Parts: sequence; C-alpha cells; structure tokens
Amino acid sequence: GDSVTQMEGPVTLSEEACLTINCTYTATGYPSLFWYVQYPGEGLQLLLKATKADDKGSNKGFEATYRKETTSFHLEKGSVQVSDSAVYFCALSDRGSGNTGKLIFGQGTTLQVKP
Amino acid sequence: NAGVTQTPKFQVLKTGQSMTLQCAQDMNHEYMSWYRQDPGMGLRLIHYSVGAGITDQGEVPNGYNVSRSTTEDFPLRLLSAAPSQTSVYFCASSYSIRATGELFFGEGSRLTVL
Repeated sequence: GDSVTQMEGPVTLSEEACLTINCTYTATGYPSLFWYVQYPGEGLQLLLKATKADDKGSNKGFEATYRKETTSFHLEKGSVQVSDSAVYFCALSDRGSGNTGKLIFGQGTTLQVKP
Repeated sequence: NAGVTQTPKFQVLKTGQSMTLQCAQDMNHEYMSWYRQDPGMGLRLIHYSVGAGITDQGEVPNGYNVSRSTTEDFPLRLLSAAPSQTSVYFCASSYSIRATGELFFGEGSRLTVL
C-alpha cells in the first residue's frame, strides 16, 4: 500500500542554520504531497503542498519540490529560527483514495532550534 | 475564529469505561474525520464523514463509533476503553472530501487508558 517515510529525528540545529528534512513516498497513483507542522500543544497545520510532479510548494520560508523520479518531497529552509521548533509531518493524498479522503502520514520529524 | 474545537483536552479512563470525545467546527465543512496519533506511527484515520447522516470507517475503526447528526458536530465514542486506545486523538475537517489534503485540525485530545 501507499506509504510515507521520513528521516528519523530529533533534528537539532542552531539558529540560522540550513534545514533539510527528507521525505520519500510509495504510491500506486499520482498523489498530492503535503507538509504539515505541529507546534507544541497544538494541532497540525498545513505548511505547504504540491499536487503534481515538479511543483514546488512554499510557505514561511519553507520549500519542497515534488520529485516523481526520486519519489521524494524533501522540506528545506535556508535559515531556521527558534520559532520553527516543531514536529513536521510529510503526507500524501492519493487521488485513488478519494473515497475515504485519507491522508497517509509519515511518522513525523521533531525539529529543535537552539538560539 | 474557533475553527475546529475538541473537548476534553485530557482524559484518563479505566479499562472498560466508555466516553465520548467531542468535535465541533464552525466553517460549514462537509468533510470531518478522526485520527489517532501514536509515537513513531504518524496519524491514522479512524472514521470519517462526508456530510450529516453519512459516516464510514477509516484505517483503524475497531472499538470506536461515530455519528454525524449535524454539519458542525462529529463525536467519537469509545465503547469499552482498552489500554491500546491510549493515544492523542485529532479531529480534522475540510470543505470537501476532494480537498482532504487541506485539513483543519483541532488541538487534540490526549487519552490515557489504565
């Protein structure tokens, strides 16, 4: 079945460092891809999305490019801030699963940014 | 802007007890769903609804019931709690099942079953 694999965490960075969180997926169809962020004590929020190959999603300085050839959707940011400390989830929505609307989530990657 | 509201935020139950997690949204969303979040496993879909009076099972429905009598409310009932149901539960909604990538989540309900 469809699945999402994220890099293990936690990831600890100093402020202004570059961030990459790896995400790869397995899907039989043509999925849409998402990054969600969960700040401490809060629910998940959609960070960015891409709906087809080579699309780049971006928001709040974060970017991710939908790479069909490598089945990847890595999250990147050029300069992280303490306020970026959160858990990041990669997810996919296969159009073939439209009968349930299910999102398939990765296990989440915790990012800790130190001043 | 209330969005998706869940209650309670924390609950401790004994094995065999029943309870209901409440979820309400004020965005007139058609689609509502319940996920559970467990360490190292991401989120898994329990039940979902595409409108009032319509519910269906997700990936891990056993031990849970849902109903959707109004557009706004989507309660999740645990019939006889088990320690395996210790988890964080999230209610999420979207304006349509076709837009479920853009889910709006509640803040979560942390449930411990002893």
